Amino acid sequence: QQKVQQSPESLIVPEGAMTSLNCTFSDSASQYFAWYRQHSGKAPKALMSIFSNGEKEEGRFTIHLNKASLHFSLHIRDSQPSDSALYLCAGTGGYKVVFGSGTRLLVSP
Amino acid sequence: ETAVFQTPNYHVTQVGNEVSFNCKQTLGHDTMYWYKQDSKKLLKIMFSYNNKQLIVNETVPRRFSPQSSDKAHLNLRIKSVEPEDSAVYLCASSLLGVEQYFGPGTRLTVL
Repeated sequence: QQKVQQSPESLIVPEGAMTSLNCTFSDSASQYFAWYRQHSGKAPKALMSIFSNGEKEEGRFTIHLNKASLHFSLHIRDSQPSDSALYLCAGTGGYKVVFGSGTRLLVSP
Repeated sequence: ETAVFQTPNYHVTQVGNEVSFNCKQTLGHDTMYWYKQDSKKLLKIMFSYNNKQLIVNETVPRRFSPQSSDKAHLNLRIKSVEPEDSAVYLCASSLLGVEQYFGPGTRLTVL
C-alpha cells in the first residue's frame, strides 16, 4: 500500500516569510496530487492540485511535482497568520486516496 | 446550497453500542468516501463508493459497514463500538475520484 512521508511535522515561521512543505510518495501509484488545508476544528479543504510534472502557481501558493523523484511540495510566499493550519498532501490513483501525516504550520505575527 | 452534509455533529456512546452516521452530498459527484481522522490528525480512507458501488474497502474491523442508497448518500454503521473507534469520521465526495470535498465531520467518543 502506498505511503506518504510528509515533512516537517511542524513549523513556525514569522509573518511575511516563505514557507516550504514537502511530501514524498513510496511509489508511483498516484496520478493526481493535491494539497489540503485544515484549520482547527474544521474539515480539510483542497488548496491546489496537479496531474502532471511541473509547477503551478495561484496567488501566494505554488506547488511543484516531480514524479521521477516522487516528490511533491507546497510553497507559501509572504506567509500570513491566517495560513496557520494543518497541511495535508494527498495522492489519488484509481479512486484510492492516500494522505500524508500532515504538517502543522504556525505563522507568528 | 451545494455541499457535503453530515449528521450528527457529535455522538457520545458506551462500549458495545451500535452507532450510525449519515452523509449526503448535493454536489452532483459520483464518488463518496468515509475517512477516519484520529487524535493525531492522521487521515485514513476507510471506504469509497462510486455510483453506490463499493470500490475501495480498506482494512477496517468488520464491525464497520457502509451503506449507500444512491450516489448522493453514504451512511456508516458501527456495530459494538470499541474505545479505539473514538475519532472524527469525515465524509467526502469527488467527481471522477479527484478533488475531495469534505463534510464537517462527526466526532465519536466511546466511553
